[in-house]
Amino acid sequence: GDSVTQMEGPVTLSEEAFLTINCTYTATGYPSLFWYVQYPGEGLQLLLKATKADDKGSNKGFEATYRKETTSFHLEKGSVQVSDSAVYFCALKGSSASKIIFGSGTRLSIRP
Amino acid sequence: NAGVTQTPKFQVLKTGQSMTLQCAQDMNHNSMYWYRQDPGMGLRLIYYSASEGTTDKGEVPNGYNVSRLNKREFSLRLESAAPSQTSVYFCASSPPRDGSKETQYFGPGTRLLVL
Repeated sequence: GDSVTQMEGPVTLSEEAFLTINCTYTATGYPSLFWYVQYPGEGLQLLLKATKADDKGSNKGFEATYRKETTSFHLEKGSVQVSDSAVYFCALKGSSASKIIFGSGTRLSIRP
Repeated sequence: NAGVTQTPKFQVLKTGQSMTLQCAQDMNHNSMYWYRQDPGMGLRLIYYSASEGTTDKGEVPNGYNVSRLNKREFSLRLESAAPSQTSVYFCASSPPRDGSKETQYFGPGTRLLVL
């Protein structure tokens, strides 16, 4: 079945560092791919998404490109801030599926 | 427009007690979901409802029941709580299907502790 694998955390970086959180997926057909973010004490919220191969999703300085050849959707940000500290979830939804499949989450902590 | 709301925010139960977690959305979404979140496990789907009047099991349905009361409300019931059900529970909803592009909107969560 469909699945998502993302890098384990926690990831700790200094402010203004470059961020990459790896995500790979297994799915049949052409799923949509998502990154959700969960700030402390809150529910998940959509950060960005891409619906077809080579699409780039972007929001709040974060980017991820849908790479079908490598079945990947890695999250990147050029210069992280303390306010980016959160848990990040990679997810996919197949074209015929009614459910979203979430990865296990990666906790990111940014030091001032 | 409150989005997805959940009550209560926090609950402590004794083993064997029952309770119902409430969820409501005001976005006219068709689909609603219940997840549990445990450390290191990410989100696991308990039950979902693709539309009013239908419910389906997710990944971890044992020990839970759900009711899609109407289009707005989707409740989760624990008939006989167990310590293994200690978790944070999230409700989510999503708009009508548009291929695979739909996203989910989450409530703030209910933190449940079963002693």
